[in-house]
Amino acid sequence: SAVISQKPSRDICQRGTSLTIQCQVDSQVTMMFWYRQQPGQSLTLIATANQGSEATYESGFVIDKFPISRPNLTFSTLTVSNMSPEDSSIYLCSAGEADTQYFGPGTRLTVL
Amino acid sequence: AQSVTQPDIHITVSEGASLELRCNYSYGATPYLFWYVQSPGQGLQLLLKYFSGDTLVQGIKGFEAEFKRSQSSFNLRKPSVHWSDAAEYFCAGKLGGGNKLTFGTGTQLKVEL
Repeated sequence: SAVISQKPSRDICQRGTSLTIQCQVDSQVTMMFWYRQQPGQSLTLIATANQGSEATYESGFVIDKFPISRPNLTFSTLTVSNMSPEDSSIYLCSAGEADTQYFGPGTRLTVL
Repeated sequence: AQSVTQPDIHITVSEGASLELRCNYSYGATPYLFWYVQSPGQGLQLLLKYFSGDTLVQGIKGFEAEFKRSQSSFNLRKPSVHWSDAAEYFCAGKLGGGNKLTFGTGTQLKVEL
């Protein structure tokens, strides 16, 4: 199974600013994903991070708000742009191989 | 609509008692199914998965799950719960093509000593 780390583990940010979250996998993986877990809720897929091409976003999520990079097979970043308090959530990175996804520890974001 | 449902939001069991967490899915074929556990402040850890074949699957930490096509269910079980099992449990499925995981709303497990 893949071991995934994320930075930062948590942050408190001001309204209108942006935060970039990093996700590092200990091995090369085909698929990487970004999820959001709003307080007291389940996980919702934001986008699939594609290596060498633009990310694929789910309905309700747009590139301007959540730009994603994936420069290689072990690393991805998610930026939460122009934040508002509604963006306060846990953001989780996952990596997939053979139809199974493994998750990072998450980044707990609070927007004031 | 394709979905994964966990009917129980909270469950409390005594340490040493047996546990069953319910999961139902709505999908026209057999999905890939997963159970994950999330401890406080932690990410999700994969407990077990079902793709095909034997309908009773064994996972880590003494958990098992049984796929029942007739009931569209994939319930998680453990014969004897330990206090350290207190956490939130998520059932998830790949419903259709692509790689998207659809998650249930989660079941919060409390273990009484």
